[in-house]
Amino acid sequence: QQQVKQSPQSLIVQKGGISIINCAYENTAFDYFPWYQQFPGKGPALLIAIRPDVSEKKEGRFTISFNKSAKQFSLHIMDSQPGDSATYFCAATTPGNQFYFGTGTSLTV
Amino acid sequence: GAGVSQSPSNKVTEKGKDVELRCDPISGHTALYWYRQSLGQGLEFLIYFQGNSAPDKSGLPSDRFSAERTGGSVSTLTIQRTQQEDSAVYLCASSLKGPIAKLFFGSGTQLSVL
Repeated sequence: QQQVKQSPQSLIVQKGGISIINCAYENTAFDYFPWYQQFPGKGPALLIAIRPDVSEKKEGRFTISFNKSAKQFSLHIMDSQPGDSATYFCAATTPGNQFYFGTGTSLTV
Repeated sequence: GAGVSQSPSNKVTEKGKDVELRCDPISGHTALYWYRQSLGQGLEFLIYFQGNSAPDKSGLPSDRFSAERTGGSVSTLTIQRTQQEDSAVYLCASSLKGPIAKLFFGSGTQLSVL
């Protein structure tokens, strides 16, 4: 059973456009929601993360929007650049630091 | 080293052989995770070590898979009697224990079972 559902599976965005990736979860025990970025041949790297008591977090061109009541969160990449082309994984963690990852989104800019 | 180190980076083996994959976590990181990533797939949790606590083995797909962590540092993932469906990238990650755990991943071991 997939604890975190991620969509879309792949995404093509024009340079300068906005990339949006969505995730949903069911387990209300999750207390931390990170996004990881993975380039080919490399391991995933932490991009940005949010706690559930915050509705939005912005770091440069990357923003997480979090909707606690809907149990959904999303990653927005503003002014998308070719260097942003990668696979993005959302995740949710428990207080015991167990991580559950989405299935990933392949972004092409 | 500064990051999580995994070896070998690539491993080709024949069906039925045993393989060992090694992970050197970041020094001082008490938590260590193993994940499996199949082509075009997400990250499948395998096993989680936290300090001296009993590991969470709930993600191991069969009894052919096992892992150990010696001295709270280096970890070895062993796959016995490898099958073609075991072909994947095996990723190791480590983190400090704390209220907000941040995973640091290695570059993975690409395992190919012929």
